[in-house]
Amino acid sequence: AQKITQTQPGMFVQEKEAVTLDCTYDTSDPSYGLFWYKQPSSGEMIFLIYQGSYDQQNATEGRYSLNFQKARKSANLVISASQLGDSAMYFCAMREPSSGDKLTFGTGTRLAVRP
Amino acid sequence: KAGVTQTPRYLIKTRGQQVTLSCSPISGHRSVSWYQQTPGQGLQFLFEYFSETQRNKGNFPGRFSGRQFSNSRSEMNVSTLELGDSALYLCASSSEGLAGTDTQYFGPGTRLTVL
Repeated sequence: AQKITQTQPGMFVQEKEAVTLDCTYDTSDPSYGLFWYKQPSSGEMIFLIYQGSYDQQNATEGRYSLNFQKARKSANLVISASQLGDSAMYFCAMREPSSGDKLTFGTGTRLAVRP
Repeated sequence: KAGVTQTPRYLIKTRGQQVTLSCSPISGHRSVSWYQQTPGQGLQFLFEYFSETQRNKGNFPGRFSGRQFSNSRSEMNVSTLELGDSALYLCASSSEGLAGTDTQYFGPGTRLTVL
C-alpha cells in the first residue's frame, strides 16, 4: 500500500485564486510528521509547511495552510492568492518513527498558475 | 545561515565508472540524508547519517555507499555506474534527525547522467 497518495498529477489555477492540493497518508504510528515541499524546474526541494500528528491546530505559513483531517488521514495543502511563481511540482511527505529519519514522498502534483 | 550545498551540480559519466557526490549541511545540523529522484521511481530514500554513523538505509544495492565526516559534511559514492543510475540526487539536512518533528532542508541537487 502507498504510504503517501497524491491523486492529482496536474492542476491549473488562475492567478490570485486559491487552490487545494490533495494528500492522503497511511501509517499506524501514533506520532508522525507531515510535510509539503515545492520543487521548481530548477530541482531544489523547498520546504513549505509542517504538521505534527498531535498538533491541535492546522499549520499555516504565509499563503500556505494545511487542512489536516486526522481521522480521514488527509493533509491537503491550500495555497491562497496564487502567484505565477507558484508554478512547480508539489510533494507531500511523511516521517514516522517506525521508518527512522527518512521522508516518504508522494508522487507529486504539478501546479500551473495561469495569468 | 547558508543553506545546504551540493557539489557538483551536474555530472556526466559513462557506464562502469564510479562517482562521488558531496553535500555540506546547514551549519549546526548533524543529520544528512540522501535521496534519488527519477521520473519512473519518484523520490526514494538512499541513506541517512548522523554523527558519522549510518543510521538508516533504503533499498538500494551495495554499489551505493556513503559516509559522513566529523564536520557533518557527507559524501555518497556510486560504483560501477549503470544507465539506470541517471537521476537527480538530493541531499537534505536536519538538526537532530528526530523522526516526526524535525524538518529536513534540501540542497539544489546533483544531476547525474550516465551514458
